[in-house]
Amino acid sequence: QVQLQESGPGLVKPSETLSLTCTVSGGSMNSQYWSWVRQPPGRGLEWIGYLYYSGSTNYSPSLKSRVTISGDTSKNQFSLKLNSVTAADTAVYYCVRHRRGDYYFDNWGQGALVTVSS
Amino acid sequence: DIQMTQSPSTLSASVGDRVTITCRASQSVSDWVAWYQQKPGKAPKVLIYKASNLQSGVPSRFSGSGSGTEFTLTISSLQPDDFATYYCQQYNNYWTFGQGTKVEFK
Repeated sequence: QVQLQESGPGLVKPSETLSLTCTVSGGSMNSQYWSWVRQPPGRGLEWIGYLYYSGSTNYSPSLKSRVTISGDTSKNQFSLKLNSVTAADTAVYYCVRHRRGDYYFDNWGQGALVTVSS
Repeated sequence: DIQMTQSPSTLSASVGDRVTITCRASQSVSDWVAWYQQKPGKAPKVLIYKASNLQSGVPSRFSGSGSGTEFTLTISSLQPDDFATYYCQQYNNYWTFGQGTKVEFK
């Protein structure tokens, strides 16, 4: 059974870069889409962007200027970088797998809380 | 961006009640809609995909319907484990979520 696990610093200073890694275990990243989703405390869900296993990416228009998602299929990992962060970027960040052939999110990591504060 | 508007924002109900949550898209998304359940401190879990298809392992008391711009999630007989927040999601054009519906004890 495929499991996803986020890792990275829980505290980032304003104007710096948020970096998270998702490790995929129990299966391969091949032939699938992988995304990052975030949820500010007490609020709703926001899609950030996706990575296809081949390396192609697509990002939310609202975050596109600040986001980079990359992957390393040999390590079964993909990563999120969000630069120039502010307090508004404080959220639980989830890595997710898209259902093959349908594209909804069928597998989620447990989430990682990242707080932006000096 | 396609906006997804859920109603109600909060729903008070009792065990055994039939519960319906509505989601309206700002433009047609065909049937590319999923529904998720989220409990406090946990990641969301998919219940319904492609508007009306039950995800494997999800109890049959959950059902979805709709197409175009109007969608509903129905719980036929609310169980104690169903008190949670529910989100609709369109995936016709990128991925956007509704603001959520919290189902709480009456």
